[in-house]
Amino acid sequence: GQSLEQPSEVTAVEGAIVQINCTYQTSGFYGLSWYQQHDGGAPTFLSYNALDGLEETGRFSSFLSRSDSYGYLLLQELQMKDSASYFCAVRDMDSNYQLIWGAGTKLIIKP
Amino acid sequence: DGGITQSPKYLFRKEGQNVTLSCEQNLNHDAMYWYRQDPGQGLRLIYYSQIVNDFQKGDIAEGYSVSREKKESFPLTVTSAQKNPTAFYLCASSIGREETQYFGPGTRLLVL
Repeated sequence: GQSLEQPSEVTAVEGAIVQINCTYQTSGFYGLSWYQQHDGGAPTFLSYNALDGLEETGRFSSFLSRSDSYGYLLLQELQMKDSASYFCAVRDMDSNYQLIWGAGTKLIIKP
Repeated sequence: DGGITQSPKYLFRKEGQNVTLSCEQNLNHDAMYWYRQDPGQGLRLIYYSQIVNDFQKGDIAEGYSVSREKKESFPLTVTSAQKNPTAFYLCASSIGREETQYFGPGTRLLVL
């Protein structure tokens, strides 16, 4: 079957660095996406990894290891506005390239 | 400005009633999607369409129906057969099936 696991909640301090992990199990892995969702809002795209390694976009970076079926999102210089839920989503070739979503990680940032 | 619009923001359904949620995009995207999100959960795919006049069922299509008569529009009908419709409904679009999905602001459906 297909499954994704990510922590339900992570707490960090403003200005710090936090890592949100995602492990997945799918038969037709094609790539891993990360989305941010503020309470009551729509998901917004953050990053996408199809190959092993680190992708950097400003304060956010995403890493993928296909051999370990594992990825993470790294947020640096945390700001209060980063308080949100973060979702990993796997693009699955065996599901006609549709996204399969994790349950989300709620990031709580303390001043 | 290009984007995806959904209406209404809130929708109330009475017992036995069908309701239709609107989704419009002016991004010239070929693919469109409907997701359902329950509190504290990830997104689950209801239906998707990769081209006009064609659509496929997602993981939780029962009790829902869609149409794709125009490239810009992908309305979702929640039928009376959907016994637990209370949720946050999100519409998304992408250039193609392998491309990044962009989301509308969502419609929150509540049952009276």
